[in-house]
Amino acid sequence: GQSLEQPSEVTAVEGAIVQINCTYQTSGFYGLSWYQQHDGGAPTFLSYNGLDGLEETGRFSSFLSRSDSYGYLLLQELQMKDSASYFCAVRDRKGMNTGFQKLVFGTGTRLLVSP
Amino acid sequence: DAGVIQSPRHEVTEMGQEVTLRCKPISGHNSLFWYRQTMMRGLELLIYFNNNVPIDDSGMPEDRFSAKMPNASFSTLKIQPSEPRDSAVYFCASSLMTDRLTYEQYFGPGTRLTVT
Repeated sequence: GQSLEQPSEVTAVEGAIVQINCTYQTSGFYGLSWYQQHDGGAPTFLSYNGLDGLEETGRFSSFLSRSDSYGYLLLQELQMKDSASYFCAVRDRKGMNTGFQKLVFGTGTRLLVSP
Repeated sequence: DAGVIQSPRHEVTEMGQEVTLRCKPISGHNSLFWYRQTMMRGLELLIYFNNNVPIDDSGMPEDRFSAKMPNASFSTLKIQPSEPRDSAVYFCASSLMTDRLTYEQYFGPGTRLTVT
């Protein structure tokens, strides 16, 4: 089976830096993705790590350590609009025979950015 | 591109009624996913299709749920009969899957279902 752990809530102030951690246990692993979801909205893709290391996209960066089954999303220069839920998701393979991959989502971290 | 389109956006129905949710994926995408989101259980994958063929329906909660994809541009998720515990937001997502690798998924706006 699969399990992903994230903090349930993180608070920060505008302009700060926040890190959202994700640890996972999966039978198969083919990469870690991050999605953002605003209240009442749909999840939207932020980043993907297939290999160890840091991926940077503007104010957001994502890190992966496959040996530690661990990743994080780093948000810099926080803005009020960054208040949302953030989900890590692992790419997992359905089974050895079919080979098709799917995403398994964590429970999400609610980020509250205050002025 | 219009993005993933879902209808209806909101559905309120009584227990025991049939509910049909609809989804139009992004043109050119070959994979379609149905998710359910609740506060208690988070975002759960119900079923996904590749090239209109169901690949994994292990997340479908029970026989009351069924999904079809008759062509590349349309899919339905049906609940019959509906129960109050089915109340949730149902998302449809699509992606372009090549060489069995699922790239980023694009989510529709969701259907908020309330069963009374």
